[in-house]
Amino acid sequence: LAKTTQPISMDSYEGQEVNITCSHNNIATNDYITWYQQFPSQGPRFIIQGYKTKVTNEVASLFIPADRKSSTLSLPRVSLSDTAVYYCLVGDLYGSGNTGKLIFGQGTTLQVKP
Amino acid sequence: ETGVTQTPRHLVMGMTNKKSLKCEQHLGHNAMYWYKQSAKKPLELMFVYSLEERVENNSVPSRFSPECPNSSHLFLHLHTLQPEDSALYLCASSQAYAGENTEAFFGQGTRLTVV
Repeated sequence: LAKTTQPISMDSYEGQEVNITCSHNNIATNDYITWYQQFPSQGPRFIIQGYKTKVTNEVASLFIPADRKSSTLSLPRVSLSDTAVYYCLVGDLYGSGNTGKLIFGQGTTLQVKP
Repeated sequence: ETGVTQTPRHLVMGMTNKKSLKCEQHLGHNAMYWYKQSAKKPLELMFVYSLEERVENNSVPSRFSPECPNSSHLFLHLHTLQPEDSALYLCASSQAYAGENTEAFFGQGTRLTVV
């Protein structure tokens, strides 16, 4: 089961780009990387998922280097409403009984200031 | 609105009470999950059901008893709980338990307080 390491907290200001990096040195060939966002007293919400290189959607971008031992979630021009906890999950693409894909770590608490 | 509905949203119960949490999804998903989130702690995976069969039981005390009568409904039956069981209980569902389509959709949670 690949373990992930993220910064516990980050601060930013409105309008800035925020990059949150997750380390997963033991990532396996079949593992993919998923990021979730959680607001207080709510369930997490899927943000983005990728396997390699770069993935972009309307919310964020995910950068994955060739060795896949880390990944970076990029949030462009954050606003106060982006204040939340961001979780990086690494899991088995083909399952085989591994629920690592839905095991949440400590996450990164992002505080966006005015 | 994620398509996963949990009831009740808030619950206060005594240590001798029996209560049940309910989760419902009509997304056509085959996997459902129960998580516990205590204050300032990560989510703890409690139970996983795939196609109505329990596939994960992560050393959860027997005072928590899950039930999945069909693919759309998941219950968590509670009895003789302890104050340290007070937490946010989250239900989630995903299209499949394994494979690519495992994006999880979470409900709003039930805030449980044991007194």
